[in-house]
Amino acid sequence: EPEVTQTPSHQVTQMGQEVILRCVPISNHLYFYWYRQILGQKVEFLVSFYNNEISEKSEIFDDQFSVERPDGSNFTLKIRSTKLEDSAMYFCASSELSGLSQFFGPGTRLTVL
Amino acid sequence: KQEVTQIPAALSVPEGENLVLNCSFTDSAIYNLQWFRQDPGKGLTSLLLIQSSQREQTSGRLNASLDKSSGRSTLYIAASQPGDSATYLCAVGLNTGTASKLTFGTGTRLQVTL
Repeated sequence: EPEVTQTPSHQVTQMGQEVILRCVPISNHLYFYWYRQILGQKVEFLVSFYNNEISEKSEIFDDQFSVERPDGSNFTLKIRSTKLEDSAMYFCASSELSGLSQFFGPGTRLTVL
Repeated sequence: KQEVTQIPAALSVPEGENLVLNCSFTDSAIYNLQWFRQDPGKGLTSLLLIQSSQREQTSGRLNASLDKSSGRSTLYIAASQPGDSATYLCAVGLNTGTASKLTFGTGTRLQVTL
């Protein structure tokens, strides 16, 4: 069964460093998303992406964040200068069409020291 | 701003019992509602999706209902098993024009005991 994959599973970085989180969505899906979950808190929407551009972004998704689909299979989230409060589990999701089920990857646990 | 609440926060039931998890949302102008399961330290597994025009969806022992006008959804689990132990998340979908973003509840942590 097709699934969303994410790498790495765990990333440890120093405050101020740049990190890139990688995702491979399900191959025939057209819509891509990033969410995050701070330990013990709700899953929060960050950004949605369709047709090679951002559809919507939340207040969390400030200038430190960017997304890219560099080729036909990968979808990346870049955090330019990490802060302690960026420590969280980051989930990538994809859906075939808008409004259909979103399928989530296993997540990348980001720890900022 | 959409707020999603799930009650109870935690639930422990003996194996074989039927149970109901509740989800409520403040803005009834939703596009869809999706139920997920999350195991500790793991990703989210999609269980059921209900479109705003639908009243319920069923998959195996799971049945989800939606009452959009009252801002409520329930997830019914029949004949619970220890393998059902997990956190169950309700997420409300809002169509933002070209994509649908999900607003999540805090979840119900379910433990099914032998």
